[in-house]
Amino acid sequence: QVQVVQSGAEVKKPGASVKVSCKASGYTFTDYYMHWVRQAPGQGLEWMGWINPNSGGTKYAQKFQGWVTMTREKSINTAYMEVSRVTSDDTAVYYCAREMATVFRAFDIWGQGTVVTVSS
Amino acid sequence: SYELTQPPSVSVSPGQTARITCSGDPLPKKSTSWYQQKPGQAPVMVIYKDSERPSGIPERFSGASLGTTVTLTISGVQAEDEGDYYCQSADRSGTYPEVLFGGGTKLTVL
Repeated sequence: QVQVVQSGAEVKKPGASVKVSCKASGYTFTDYYMHWVRQAPGQGLEWMGWINPNSGGTKYAQKFQGWVTMTREKSINTAYMEVSRVTSDDTAVYYCAREMATVFRAFDIWGQGTVVTVSS
Repeated sequence: SYELTQPPSVSVSPGQTARITCSGDPLPKKSTSWYQQKPGQAPVMVIYKDSERPSGIPERFSGASLGTTVTLTISGVQAEDEGDYYCQSADRSGTYPEVLFGGGTKLTVL
């Protein structure tokens, strides 16, 4: 079945980097944009940006420009999202979400989420 | 900054109709989607393109758009519908954020 499966929980110290993976299966990875969305504890959803798995092109929400990097590895159908220089404000659940093929920026398949905890 | 506004909470009894609004001024008109999120789970799309239902979503979920407000309606609410609901707009004009989520509405089934 169509699904995206994310990597496991991470605990990081302030100033470190964290990289989350999102492995796609059941569909052609390069045919669908992949987005990243985060949710701080008790808060709402926050869009971070997208990657085009085919070209590797990216676009980041203004807030995340310069310290979030999205990449992909086509050979293993996996997208990655890396946050550098993390602070306690980056403690959140991070989701990858597949964009629908025919509807601009609508997300039909979501990963299970990756909990990232930043603590000294 | 541009925002999508949702009521923080809506409460209904089982079998009644729940309506959750999402407003922006103006509301980007490329596409609006709705997501349901239950505690500890990932969001699930329930409406896209303002009023279309994905496969597998019950018919009691419907969406509509009027002016600067979009509305998610759940007819004949069931206990399993309890959760948080988020609207999401999409805009490719560059005038508004490309993707924006509303603050979310907690639906309580009494």
